[in-house]
Amino acid sequence: GAVVSQHPSRVICKSGTSVKIECRSLDFQATTMFWYRQFPKQSLMLMATSNEGSKATYEQGVEKDKFLINHASLTLSTLTVTSAHPEDSSFYICSVGVEGYEQYFGPGTRLTVT
Amino acid sequence: GQQLNQSPQSMFIQEGEDVSMNCTSSSIFNTWLWYKQDPGEGPVLLIALYKAGELTSNGRLTAQFGITRKDSFLNISASIPSDVGIYFCAGRNYGGATNKLIFGTGTLLAVQP
Repeated sequence: GAVVSQHPSRVICKSGTSVKIECRSLDFQATTMFWYRQFPKQSLMLMATSNEGSKATYEQGVEKDKFLINHASLTLSTLTVTSAHPEDSSFYICSVGVEGYEQYFGPGTRLTVT
Repeated sequence: GQQLNQSPQSMFIQEGEDVSMNCTSSSIFNTWLWYKQDPGEGPVLLIALYKAGELTSNGRLTAQFGITRKDSFLNISASIPSDVGIYFCAGRNYGGATNKLIFGTGTLLAVQP
């Protein structure tokens, strides 16, 4: 399966600041990546589908101006949480969709907004 | 967003016991997947199912794609302490791996040595 990395693994930021999370596919070229968020003791909720070279497709209820997604290359997608607030604190996980295989997940990024 | 219903919500068992959990949906899926998530980590793929009625094994794990295409089952035989974690089912309505998944509510498994 695909090897996926995320950076940073943990980040603490102050309310009102922006945070960028990187997702890298280390051994596959990924035209499609996915961003999820997971609150404690809850399931994964898809936020958006990141498409290389085009705009991301956001799920209903996810603010595209708040969660900026850039998929500038076949191995890198970034999620920027803009003007973060405490309610944005969560576990953010990316995945890589590889045709002929399946979705493989990164190790996640724990965001805490103080 | 849409979620799949998993049961049981949690299980507390003794080492060596067998475990069964299931996942149900109100709509049809063409793919069922089972993932395991350890605390503070991303989910890891265990088993993928692509045909109604399909039964697939991965070591001590066995999963089945329900004949109605609206459910799936995961069994773990002879559980061991490292089986501890949260198990998620995931379904896909159409297409392949570049199309989105819908995740289940999760089953927390605790194994007592």
